[in-house]
Amino acid sequence: AQTVTQSQPEMSVQEAETVTLSCTYDTSESDYYLFWYKQPPSRQMILVIRQEAYKQQNATENRFSVNFQKAAKSFSLKISDSQLGDAAMYFCAYGETSGSRLTFGEGTQLTVNP
Amino acid sequence: EAGVAQSPRYKIIEKRQSVAFWCNPISGHATLYWYQQILGQGPKLLIQFQNNGVVDDSQLPKDRFSAERLKGVDSTLKIQPAKLEDSAVYLCASSKTGGSYEQYFGPGTRLTVT
Repeated sequence: AQTVTQSQPEMSVQEAETVTLSCTYDTSESDYYLFWYKQPPSRQMILVIRQEAYKQQNATENRFSVNFQKAAKSFSLKISDSQLGDAAMYFCAYGETSGSRLTFGEGTQLTVNP
Repeated sequence: EAGVAQSPRYKIIEKRQSVAFWCNPISGHATLYWYQQILGQGPKLLIQFQNNGVVDDSQLPKDRFSAERLKGVDSTLKIQPAKLEDSAVYLCASSKTGGSYEQYFGPGTRLTVT
């Protein structure tokens, strides 16, 4: 079974600075998807960014980018120019290609300080 | 485009009572998911529907949980009888078919069992 580990329960960053959230996963599959979801206090899970395992190029989405290291099974999220609205719980998730099941990590609570 | 709708947003019941949650997915989304998110943890998939058929219910406690998706649109998740450990947020998500793995989440229902 796949597992996802987020080793940082809490992180904090100053507004306008850069922060990196870590995620590692375990799988025997060669093809899969990886995601970062954001969950603010409203509880609505919002997709931040996704990466297909067969793509070597790291995904970027405006201020959000990932560092995908397939051999190391590592998938970190970098948030540049942090904004107060980025404060939330961030979940890393693994997606199977044989189905749509998502396996989530335990989450990292990000605080943005003004 | 309207998002995933869920009701109620909050529910408090006593143990051994029954409860039902409702979900209306995004129009045109054939795949519907129910997740359980215990406080401090990532969401865990309970059941996945493709149209009105069950694709994955391997993590659904079938002795007390049931779910249905009539006519391939709305879905209902029921717990009967509830236990204290069922206290959690129940998230509904939907996605398109055809290999798209971007799941769109509803606001969730927070269940408290006393």
